[in-house]
Amino acid sequence: DTGVSQDPRHKITKRGQNVTFRCDPISEHNRLYWYRQTLGQGPEFLTYFQNEAQLEKSRLLSDRFSAERPKGSFSTLEIQRTEQGDSAMYLCASSSAGQIAYEQYFGPGTRLTVT
Amino acid sequence: AQSVSQHNHHVILSEAASLELGCNYSYGGTVNLFWYVQYPGQHLQLLLKYFSGDPLVKGIKGFEAEFIKSKFSFNLRKPSVQWSDTAEYFCAVNPPGNMLTFGGGTRLMVKP
Repeated sequence: DTGVSQDPRHKITKRGQNVTFRCDPISEHNRLYWYRQTLGQGPEFLTYFQNEAQLEKSRLLSDRFSAERPKGSFSTLEIQRTEQGDSAMYLCASSSAGQIAYEQYFGPGTRLTVT
Repeated sequence: AQSVSQHNHHVILSEAASLELGCNYSYGGTVNLFWYVQYPGQHLQLLLKYFSGDPLVKGIKGFEAEFIKSKFSFNLRKPSVQWSDTAEYFCAVNPPGNMLTFGGGTRLMVKP
């Protein structure tokens, strides 16, 4: 078990470009979460998948953001037409079923800088 | 909507001092409570959790937390901190629903 992995770790992009991040959860974890963390703040929930179904979305997730988990394994988060306000750390977490579903294990994050 | 407040944004302690970090949440129903820690350059790690039962829970590295339902609090404590405890600490709440709601974090610096 290698933990949650995220790729890339850092991304610098120009305003208006599209970016895509990938998250690989802990194997056999059926739940996957995306959070965003800005400097000096705690992580904020963006969206959640159970297997391939996207079950919850935050109001923070504007229509420029889209997330997928096509086969119930890895997930991608795409941001279209990036804005400077999108600069943040994007965190992925996963958990398994049952009561311990509430224990979420976090990846190292992807730091996005929009110039 | 639920919220989590961490009152201390920055704490500086000397080694062997005792630590207490405050956490209050606003949600009237049943909650699961967590403390996560982020060491410099590392990802968020679960320090301890409370689901039910004994309100005093023990976690890794000598940390403990007490759930006081009447005060909507879940304060983190450690009797004697070490330099290696320098990190950022986040309190999080998981009401029914699946996402975690985090506090703003407390940055702890322990001076050797």
